Amino acid sequence: GAGVSQSPRYKVTKRGQDVALRCDPISGHVSLYWYRQALGQGPEFLTYFNYEAQQDKSGLPNDRFSAERPEGSISTLTIQRTEQRDSAMYRCASSLDGLAGTDTQYFGPGTRLTVL
Amino acid sequence: AQSVTQLDSQVPVFEEAPVELRCNYSSSVSVYLFWYVQYPNQGLQLLLKYLSGSTLVESINGFEAEFNKSQTSFHLRKPSVHISDTAEYFCAVSPYNTDKLIFGTGTRLQVFP
Repeated sequence: GAGVSQSPRYKVTKRGQDVALRCDPISGHVSLYWYRQALGQGPEFLTYFNYEAQQDKSGLPNDRFSAERPEGSISTLTIQRTEQRDSAMYRCASSLDGLAGTDTQYFGPGTRLTVL
Repeated sequence: AQSVTQLDSQVPVFEEAPVELRCNYSSSVSVYLFWYVQYPNQGLQLLLKYLSGSTLVESINGFEAEFNKSQTSFHLRKPSVHISDTAEYFCAVSPYNTDKLIFGTGTRLQVFP
């Protein structure tokens, strides 16, 4: 079956522009997660959803970052007024039911964002 | 707060040799423990996880990890590695009262012929 997909795979933008990163989770998966991974680091939690409800956004670095999942399926991570420090790999993951914290998270291929 | 430490950023090893990738964690609450692997040009995928019960867990491709509560460690081992094991390995914890994964910085395993 299809895994988690993300688009675009690569995004180059100029400082100050807004970007929207898309995640399409595995069909039927309740929970969806966003992580950011800087070069040479492990993934860093940003936010997650159960269905359409955003359960935890404690990892979003500032108010330029926002995420939504309006119909409980596809999610969009938006970064407004991008800065060079936003350059990183943005990873999305989904799990069947993440409420217990024990479910396997399935990761997408990531979107490599470069801010010039 | 929780943190995960992977002290070895790179581990070079010859094929068929044993390997151990170290992982230590710090947490004020109980956690679940995971190892994820990222093969070249692929996304992260779960290798194995410890939730409860036997402290020794195994993967389908010969890796094993042992949860040591007193040492707050979850080291990953394989008695004989293959070229195809070349990848980056990430240790992660998930606190009982949350749903998020907290990752270490990763260990790049390079297997040479």
